[in-house]
Amino acid sequence: LAKTTQPISMDSYEGQEVNITCSHNNIATNDYITWYQQFPSQGPRFIIQGYKTKVTNEVASLFIPADRKSSTLSLPRVSLSDTAVYYCLVGDENTGGFKTIFGAGTRLFVKA
Amino acid sequence: KAGVTQTPRYLIKTRGQQVTLSCSPISGHRSVSWYQQTPGQGLQFLFEYFSETQRNKGNFPGRFSGRQFSNSRSEMNVSTLELGDSALYLCASSLGLATDYEQYFGPGTRLTVT
Repeated sequence: LAKTTQPISMDSYEGQEVNITCSHNNIATNDYITWYQQFPSQGPRFIIQGYKTKVTNEVASLFIPADRKSSTLSLPRVSLSDTAVYYCLVGDENTGGFKTIFGAGTRLFVKA
Repeated sequence: KAGVTQTPRYLIKTRGQQVTLSCSPISGHRSVSWYQQTPGQGLQFLFEYFSETQRNKGNFPGRFSGRQFSNSRSEMNVSTLELGDSALYLCASSLGLATDYEQYFGPGTRLTVT
């Protein structure tokens, strides 16, 4: 079964840059790659979305190589409030038809 | 504008019963997606509805079904509940298809099956 793969957890210190990579081998040809952030007891919240190359907004950057089989979320200068679970989301094409696939999530813990 | 709302917020049911969960999307959003979240399995996609049509479906048994009304509100039904159906059920709405647009998530319905 096609799926996405992310590291289970990461630790960082305040002020550092954090890079979280998601692999998605069966990404649908025409679909975007989207990243979400989730705090305990809340629904996920949109961070950034891209199709290819690099996208940047006020909170993050997203790097996507030409083959689009992976993507890297970059959080510059993290703070304690960035401690959360981060998910990548892609559309996945396989023999079972189109599916919306969330990664298992990466638990980021930012320390002072 | 108002966010995504889900009712009820908490629900306790017994094995074998059925349950209906409701989701009201953000005004103007035509897509509603449903997800199941458990500690062991993370966020699992259930299905997506766009303009009253099911666009795609995750790998869940037929006991899980849904529908979308002309005002974009959506319901999810689970029949013959099992203990393993205990989870947080999240719905999300978006302007267009979930993989193309930013999704806005509701607070979820926490279902406990005893």
